Amino acid sequence: GAVVSQHPSRVICKSGTSVKIECRSLDFQATTMFWYRQFPKQSLMLMATSNEGSKATYEQGVEKDKFLINHASLTLSTLTVTSAHPEDSSFYICSGASGTRYNEQFFGPGTRLTVL
Amino acid sequence: GNSVTQMEGPVTLSEEAFLTINCTYTATGYPSLFWYVQYPGEGLQLLLKATKADDKGSNKGFEATYRKETTSFHLEKGSVQVSDSAVYFCALNAYSGAGSYQLTFGKGTKLSVIP
Repeated sequence: GAVVSQHPSRVICKSGTSVKIECRSLDFQATTMFWYRQFPKQSLMLMATSNEGSKATYEQGVEKDKFLINHASLTLSTLTVTSAHPEDSSFYICSGASGTRYNEQFFGPGTRLTVL
Repeated sequence: GNSVTQMEGPVTLSEEAFLTINCTYTATGYPSLFWYVQYPGEGLQLLLKATKADDKGSNKGFEATYRKETTSFHLEKGSVQVSDSAVYFCALNAYSGAGSYQLTFGKGTKLSVIP
């Protein structure tokens, strides 16, 4: 099956700093990548959808200047949390979908962000 | 808009018990339906899927049938094991109208299986 990796798996940072999370599709080309956020004991909330080479589409209520998404290649998307605050602490999960299999997304293992 | 409703947990069962987790959906068009499983501290793994009405998805002893008439996709397993303890998410995938498909998730059901 298709594999998606995320790096780092865990990150702890100080309030006010920026954190970058990488999402890579290892064995397929992800024309579309998705970023989700999951709070403890809750479901996944879609933050944004990005297509390779174009700007991300953000869901309502998600600040695009705070959560910068770059999808520069068919195998890499990055999420940068700028000027992080404790309320940004969460589990961030990415997924990728290829142009030939729109019906299925392949998920990364997630990144646990803790902002002190 | 699209939505998924699944039974609230947590669900606690003894090993070898029968499992049912109910899931119903609301969607325009003809969505694909999925069950994902999340183990503690991990991302989501696809458990099974069905892409059209009356399809049955199955994997690792779990089954779910796409019922268009009742807009349901209930997850079942005849005999659960301790290793099945996890959070289960029902989801639908439908065209978002913005050039891509989007997944809509239910809130998740935590299953605990005790020996």
